[in-house]
Amino acid sequence: EPEVTQTPSHQVTQMGQEVILRCVPISNHLYFYWYRQILGQKVEFLVSFYNNEISEKSEIFDDQFSVERPDGSNFTLKIRSTKLEDSAMYFCASTGTRANTGELFFGEGSRLTVL
Amino acid sequence: AQSVAQPEDQVNVAEGNPLTVKCTYSVSGNPYLFWYVQYPNRGLQFLLKYITGDNLVKGSYGFEAEFNKSQTSFHLKKPSALVSDSALYFCAVRDGGASGGGADGLTFGKGTHLIIQP
Repeated sequence: EPEVTQTPSHQVTQMGQEVILRCVPISNHLYFYWYRQILGQKVEFLVSFYNNEISEKSEIFDDQFSVERPDGSNFTLKIRSTKLEDSAMYFCASTGTRANTGELFFGEGSRLTVL
Repeated sequence: AQSVAQPEDQVNVAEGNPLTVKCTYSVSGNPYLFWYVQYPNRGLQFLLKYITGDNLVKGSYGFEAEFNKSQTSFHLKKPSALVSDSALYFCAVRDGGASGGGADGLTFGKGTHLIIQP
């Protein structure tokens, strides 16, 4: 069964460092997302991406964040200068159907710990 | 703005008994409603959705949910619980807009821990 894969599974970084989280969505999917889950809290939407551009982003997704689909298979989330409060589990998701009505397929997440 | 409330942090049910996990929502346009399940150290898995049509929707693993527009609710149900159903359950909503456009991002509730006791 096709699945969304994410790397790394866990990354520890120092405050102020740049981090890139990588995702390989399901191959025929068209809509891509990043969500995050701070420990013990709810899952929060960060950004959606379609047709090689951001289609929607939340207030959390400030100038420190960026996304890219560099090669037609990977979908990356970059945090330019990490803060302590960026520590969370980051989930990539994709869907093949129309964005609003389609169920999302989530990866297993990348845990980011900022020290 | 869209929002989801899951009023119970935890629901305890004996194996074999029916279970209900509650969810209410608020959107300005048409609600697109979803349930996801999260097992420990795993990503979220889709269970079921309501977009339009029948108010009772059936999903994976024997779960179903009933859309109630007047009560703005979308409670998750299962007639007979299994120990393997124990997990964290998230209700989520997208604002489908007045005519099918609307938001991309899902808004999740805070989750309900479902514990099925043998």
